[in-house]
Formats: sequence, structure tokens, C-alpha cells
Amino acid sequence: AQKVTQAQTEISVVEKEDVTLDCVYETRDTTYYLFWYKQPPSGELVFLIRRNSFDEQNEISGRYSWNFQKSTSSFNFTITASQVVDSAVYFCALSEANSGGYQKVTFGTGTKLQVIP
Amino acid sequence: DAMVIQNPRYQVTQFGKPVTLSCSQTLNHNVMYWYQQKSSQAPKLLFHYYDKDFNNEADTPDNFQSRRPNTSFCFLDIRSPGLGDAAMYLCATQNSRGIGPDTQYFGPGTRLTVL
Repeated sequence: AQKVTQAQTEISVVEKEDVTLDCVYETRDTTYYLFWYKQPPSGELVFLIRRNSFDEQNEISGRYSWNFQKSTSSFNFTITASQVVDSAVYFCALSEANSGGYQKVTFGTGTKLQVIP
Repeated sequence: DAMVIQNPRYQVTQFGKPVTLSCSQTLNHNVMYWYQQKSSQAPKLLFHYYDKDFNNEADTPDNFQSRRPNTSFCFLDIRSPGLGDAAMYLCATQNSRGIGPDTQYFGPGTRLTVL
């Protein structure tokens, strides 16, 4: 069975601080996909990144960066120089490879990030 | 441009009064999902459509039904809402025609209140 653990329930940082959100996953599949979604107070789940299990290259997008380490089954997300607009709940998610046409996604329980001005 | 649209954004209904939530998409994705998300919890998959094929999760109550009249639209019907059904309902779409799963794209959600 697949499992995603986000041990940090809530994090508060002061604006401009860097913050890392942890994600640890479990799966028996050799091919799988990892995601991060942002859910602001408005409720919409906003897609941030997708990473497949064959690609351990880290990625940077503006102030966001992701560190994928297969050896520790982790897919951590770092926000550099945090801003108030980053305040949201962040979900890490895992899905198996496409089998039968649909994608069963397992979500973590989310980390609520509060950036204080 | 909005890609996954959910209406209404907020819905108030009375205990036991049927309610229908709507989702539409402009992405021409063949898979559509309905999730239920209760406060401070992760989204929980209720069911999905792969093209016209309906797939129910094993633990989705019979009280929840869905219809997909065409590629663009999908409806969630709650036949007799209970207080425990108050939640955010999220619709998502996905293009599953290629090799490997594409990303699921979510709508803004409908927040359901049951009085």
C-alpha cells in the first residue's frame, strides 16, 4: 500500500525566512510519481510540481526548490525568502504508474504554512 | 482562463435535501474525479470517470452518486445529505490517453454546508 507522511502539521515562519516542508513516502512500485500541491485559503488545489521515480534531479523554480532522494524515500520542498502569499496548506502526493487508465493519488495530510509579515 | 470550473462555490442545503454539485472543464481531459475534503484533512477520492466508465471507491457511501453526460461536465449528487457530509468537494481532471499518468488539475471546489 502507498503512504505519504508529512510529519509537520503546521509551520510558522517570519517573512523572508527559508522554510522546508518534509515529505516521506512508501510504495512497492518501481515506477511512481510524486507531486506537490498548494491549497490557499480559497480552497483550490494548485499543482506545483510532478516528479517521476526515474528522475532524481532536483528542481528549482523561482523561490521554490524540490529535493528528491530515492534512497531515503523523501521529496522535500523548500521555499526561499518566504512571502505572505506563500501561506497555505501544502500537500505532498504519490501515485502509481498509469495502469488501467486512471491515477490513484495518495495524499499526505498536509502541512499548513503560515508566513508572518 | 479557467480550466476546471465548479459551481456553485458555496452551497447550503438542509439535512436530507438532495443537492447537486457541478464540474465542467475546458481541457478535454478524459478522466474526471470527485474528492471530498473535510476540514484539516487530505482529499479523499469518492469516484472517477474514465471516459464514460464510472468507478466507485469501495468506501464511498451509496448516498453519493455521479453523472457524466459528456466529456466536459460531471455532476455529484448527494441524495440525502447528512451533517457529516459537510465538506469541500473538489473536482479534478486528467488526460490519461498518453503514456504514464498526467497531472490531475483541480477546480476551486464547492464548500457544502448542511444545516
